[in-house]
Amino acid sequence: QVQLVESGGGVVQPGRSLRLSCAASGFTFSTYGMHWVRQAPGKGLEWVALIWYDGSSKYYADSVKGRFTISRDNSKNTLYLQINSLRAEDTAVYYCARRQRSRLDYWGQGTLVTVSS
Amino acid sequence: AIQLTQSPSSLSASVGDRVTITCRASQGISSVLAWYQQKPGKAPKLLIYDASSLETGVPSRFSGSGSGTDFTLTISSLQPEDFATYYCQQFNDFSLGFGGGTKVEIK
Repeated sequence: QVQLVESGGGVVQPGRSLRLSCAASGFTFSTYGMHWVRQAPGKGLEWVALIWYDGSSKYYADSVKGRFTISRDNSKNTLYLQINSLRAEDTAVYYCARRQRSRLDYWGQGTLVTVSS
Repeated sequence: AIQLTQSPSSLSASVGDRVTITCRASQGISSVLAWYQQKPGKAPKLLIYDASSLETGVPSRFSGSGSGTDFTLTISSLQPEDFATYYCQQFNDFSLGFGGGTKVEIK
């Protein structure tokens, strides 16, 4: 069965960096595009980034462009999100999700990032 | 960027009620729209894709309709496990967006 497991969240001071990981199993990871989506406490869903199945193309929400970098290692079946210059407004649960054409058909359980001094 | 506006933002309903949630896009998106259900502390779950296609394993009481700018999610007979927040989602020009959500609460 498809499984996506995020890790790497925690409490981080403003201005620091963090790398989130998403370990995939139960499907051929190298043939699917992948998304990151976040959700601030008590708020709605916000799309963050998309990476092509082979890593050749990457797309970002305007709100994170320049600070966030999505990447993947298909040999390790793992998706990453590098977050630099963390701000209080980056506090959220970060989900990875599998791209199935225009939809997100499988989601991980999320990892919480809290930006606080 | 295309904006999605959901209405209502919340509603109260009873078990057995028919519930309809609407999602309006700021410009035409053909039928490229999905619906998700999210329960507290859990990841979203895909219910409907391509506006009206039911995801495998999702109960048939859920249905979607619409195209262009106006879409609806209907729950034909609300069940206790359906109390949750629902989001619509579009994908256009390699950018993805969600509606603001509709919280369905118990009356």
